[in-house]
Amino acid sequence: NAGVTQTPKFQVLKTGQSMTLQCAQDMNHNSMYWYRQDPGMGLRLIYYSASEGTTDKGEVPNGYNVSRLNKREFSLRLESAAPSQTSVYFCASTTSGYEQYFGPGTRLTVT
Amino acid sequence: QKEVEQNSGPLSVPEGAIASLNCTYSDRGSQSFFWYRQYSGKSPELIMFIYSNGDKEDGRFTAQLNKASQYVSLLIRDSQPSDSATYLCAVNRGGATNKLIFGTGTLLAVQP
Repeated sequence: NAGVTQTPKFQVLKTGQSMTLQCAQDMNHNSMYWYRQDPGMGLRLIYYSASEGTTDKGEVPNGYNVSRLNKREFSLRLESAAPSQTSVYFCASTTSGYEQYFGPGTRLTVT
Repeated sequence: QKEVEQNSGPLSVPEGAIASLNCTYSDRGSQSFFWYRQYSGKSPELIMFIYSNGDKEDGRFTAQLNKASQYVSLLIRDSQPSDSATYLCAVNRGGATNKLIFGTGTLLAVQP
């Protein structure tokens, strides 16, 4: 039982490049989330998927898109990376009303 | 006003002392409250959750909730150097989305 997995762990992009961050959970959770964490800013919600087939914007969605591929997988895409998107990205999942379980994170640098 | 507010710290306590971490929230409709611990370079992990007014104890940790004052706290008894981490307060406002609103975290440093 791996919990929440994320790939890649580290990535360096040049401005304007695109990439997709992958997230998968094996806990049969309905809801999945993408956060970014920046120094002094805490965890900020980018997008979430309350259930398979639905996605909604969070607090900071600009510059990102998401896909809930199936119940297990939720990907985050940066179409044209900008230095302001340098951050640590966490994926999380939960079942109704209980704790969110976090993946190990992806450390992204955009130069 | 931020939805969830925490003092960023650092909060420095000697080993064996009680560490008290505080959090206030603005939405009176908030239904559940979570404390996460995050070590440097790692992902957040759940320490405690609380839904009802009062205290909830789990080992060395006690969560306290006062909905009238919109205040939730975490007490760590017999603090250890291994407790040194950032503690994140999170609030669930309820509803089908299960979204959490996080505070910016309090850095705790336990001095040996």
